[in-house]
Amino acid sequence: DQQVKQNSPSLSVQEGRISILNCDYTNSMFDYFLWYKKYPAEGPTFLISISSIKDKNEDGRFTVFLNKSAKHLSLHIVPSQPGDSAVYFCAASDYNNNDMRFGAGTRLTVKP
Amino acid sequence: DAGVTQSPTHLIKTRGQHVTLRCSPISGHKSVSWYQQVLGQGPQFIFQYYEKEERGRGNFPDRFSARQFPNYSSELNVNALLLGDSALYLCASSFWAGNTEAFFGQGTRLTVV
Repeated sequence: DQQVKQNSPSLSVQEGRISILNCDYTNSMFDYFLWYKKYPAEGPTFLISISSIKDKNEDGRFTVFLNKSAKHLSLHIVPSQPGDSAVYFCAASDYNNNDMRFGAGTRLTVKP
Repeated sequence: DAGVTQSPTHLIKTRGQHVTLRCSPISGHKSVSWYQQVLGQGPQFIFQYYEKEERGRGNFPDRFSARQFPNYSSELNVNALLLGDSALYLCASSFWAGNTEAFFGQGTRLTVV
């Protein structure tokens, strides 16, 4: 039962351009969403989160957009840098269940 | 400041054996969660503990158990290991149990042969 889906296994962009990573969810009870970045041989690193009461949250080069009606969120990275190359996971949780559901991840490659 | 620390980093066990994985949360964090990540998939929730009480359990068999100690560190135990238990086991800590950012350790890579 995959409640959080990242349908693009990989994405390649040029340095300086925008990276857009997408995530869809099916459970309407989810009310908190997070993005994590993972380098090989390391644990996931928290990037940015958004509550369901908002539709946008920015932190430096990273912006997360939430479309509740479409059950869709996206992570925008502008401008993309080679150091952003990693696997990005989308995660969702709801207040009543103390777990996070993760997507399968999207491998981002930023080319110099 | 020390982040989430997990031990050991790598482990090889034989089918049928038992394993204990350990996690120390970030100082001041009272919640610890355990996740299993197999290759090509995202982390899957196993347990969450908050203030030494189990607050959530994922869809894993009873061979998996965990506990949290008074200093908020935690252990994950897996009995009767199967080949399919081979995975990266991640520990995450957070200040509380609700919707909040969780911070992960580097994981323990368990290989069952």
